Amino acid sequence: AQKVTQAQTEISVVEKEDVTLDCVYETRDTTYYLFWYKQPPSGELVFLIRRNSFDEQNEISGRYSWNFQKSTSSFNFTITASQVVDSAVYFCALSEADYGGATNKLIFGTGTLLAVQP
Amino acid sequence: EAGVTQSPTHLIKTRGQQATLRCSPISGHTSVYWYQQALGLGLQFLLWYDEGEERNRGNFPPRFSGRQFPNYSSELNVNALELEDSALYLCASSAQLSYEQYFGPGTRLTVT
Repeated sequence: AQKVTQAQTEISVVEKEDVTLDCVYETRDTTYYLFWYKQPPSGELVFLIRRNSFDEQNEISGRYSWNFQKSTSSFNFTITASQVVDSAVYFCALSEADYGGATNKLIFGTGTLLAVQP
Repeated sequence: EAGVTQSPTHLIKTRGQQATLRCSPISGHTSVYWYQQALGLGLQFLLWYDEGEERNRGNFPPRFSGRQFPNYSSELNVNALELEDSALYLCASSAQLSYEQYFGPGTRLTVT
């Protein structure tokens, strides 16, 4: 069965610290997709990144970076030099491709609440 | 480009009543997904519509239903409301054969 585990319930850091959010997933499919979403207090889920199961290249986008390792079924997210505006709940999600190749439902982890203190 | 829109923002209903939530996808997107975010239960998949057809359904009772219209907008209906249906209902849309789902601001349903 598909499952996403975010073991960190809450993380509190001081501004400018680096912080890593952990995500571990389970799936029996060989083709799948992993996502990170951010949910600020307003409630809207903001898409951050998608990775394909066949592309293990790590990615950096500004202060954000992602480390995908199939060997450990992990897809961790690092924020460098955190800012107060980064405060939000971050969700990791997993999706398997359906027969048509399009994305199917998202299976979400329980989320990690990140609080960045000034 | 306008994002996913949902209405109403807030909805207050009494137990036993029916609720109707609406969603308009991003222009050009053909798939609409519904998720429930209830306190303590996290984000759970409800329904997926594509090209007017129900493609997949989460583990929810039949009183949760919906439809997708020819313009790809969607409606979620919840019948015989129960207190535990109180939650934030999020709608997402994606383009055909795309892998990203883009979410709307949600409808907060409160059942009293």
